[in-house]
Amino acid sequence: DAGVIQSPRHEVTEMGQEVTLRCKPISGHNSLFWYRQTMMRGLELLIYFNNNVPIDDSGMPEDRFSAKMPNASFSTLKIQPSEPRDSAVYFCACKRSGGPDTQYFGPGTRLTVL
Amino acid sequence: DAKTTQPPSMDCAEGRAANLPCNHSTISGNEYVYWYRQIHSQGPQYIIHGLKNNETNEMASLIITEDRKSSTLILPHATLRDTAVYYCISLLFGNEKLTFGTGTRLTIIP
Repeated sequence: DAGVIQSPRHEVTEMGQEVTLRCKPISGHNSLFWYRQTMMRGLELLIYFNNNVPIDDSGMPEDRFSAKMPNASFSTLKIQPSEPRDSAVYFCACKRSGGPDTQYFGPGTRLTVL
Repeated sequence: DAKTTQPPSMDCAEGRAANLPCNHSTISGNEYVYWYRQIHSQGPQYIIHGLKNNETNEMASLIITEDRKSSTLILPHATLRDTAVYYCISLLFGNEKLTFGTGTRLTIIP
């Protein structure tokens, strides 16, 4: 199993540009989570899905952020327009619904907004 | 989920047992204690979890006090690769939202 796959691993963009982060969860894991990590705020949960349905998006910072999960094997986190304060490492994680709360994290996408 | 308190940093000599404490004095009866760690530049990694009984797996042991107000993660023979930030998280059964605190930065000294 390849584990959780995230792309790109690094993204550098300019303020105002649209950014799309991608995640492929482990096959059979039907809960998917997006986290953001910064030095100031640590690791924060942004949104999570269960069976492709968004369950809790209370951590999404503002309307510039949106997330989708069109099928069980793919999710995106989009920032439009991006701002310098969005610079962070974004992690995707997944788990089997109904099982132990063991989440498996991807390697992260390091986003820099200039 | 109950608040957890961990020391900000610890050192441990390579080859020795690393004992990482966590206080969770307000934990309820159906909240589990989970441990994750994050090695530099990587995503967090699950280590172990428990409810009441002590637990052991290939990575570590988890000792939970009888009153469940605190626990200790034990890495029996620490190696340099165990240098990481270790997070203790209390989680209500069925709640899927992990809340990461600031954790303990463990440094293994050669």
